Amino acid sequence: GAVVSQHPSRVICKSGTSVKIECRSLDFQATTMFWYRQFPKKSLMLMATSNEGSKATYEQGVEKDKFLINHASLTLSTLTVTSAHPEDSSFYICSAVAGPGNTIYFGEGSWLTVV
Amino acid sequence: EDQVTQSPEALRLQEGESSSLNCSYTVSGLRGLFWYRQDPGKGPEFLFTLYSAGEEKEKERLKATLTKKESFLHITAPKPEDSATYLCAVYSSASKIIFGSGTRLSIRP
Repeated sequence: GAVVSQHPSRVICKSGTSVKIECRSLDFQATTMFWYRQFPKKSLMLMATSNEGSKATYEQGVEKDKFLINHASLTLSTLTVTSAHPEDSSFYICSAVAGPGNTIYFGEGSWLTVV
Repeated sequence: EDQVTQSPEALRLQEGESSSLNCSYTVSGLRGLFWYRQDPGKGPEFLFTLYSAGEEKEKERLKATLTKKESFLHITAPKPEDSATYLCAVYSSASKIIFGSGTRLSIRP
């Protein structure tokens, strides 16, 4: 089946620094990718929809200047958490749409800890 | 408003005891309904995509069905390794993906 890879799987950063998470579709091209945040024992919370070559669409309540999303190619989207704070610590997951069946595949997720 | 509701929130079964998980949805144009399995600390693992009412798909002990208002994930003779959180999501014609809150399934040996 289709594979979506996320990197890094775990990252620890200092408060005030920025950290970038990559999401790659390994064996298909994805014009649309999604970024989520998941709290312990909770479902996925959609943060933004990323479309290749255009600006991301952010969900209500998600700060676009804090969570920068770039979808520069059909196989790569990045999420940059800027000026990270401890409350940004979370599990971040990406997914990509594999056409033409529109099946959505997920990455393995990235654990971010801000200290 | 697009919405996805899963029930029950948690389900504990004895090994071999078959049951069903429910996913009720309202969406303005369905492009696909997905079922995923998620183990703690990992990303969701794709199970099924259903596109239209009446469609059914099977994989090992799992069978997913779809109507115009809901989907069921039937699990037949489950084993302890089937324990996980099962997530349902709909992909709308507005290119939005909406997740249910999941069902935590626990299978006792």
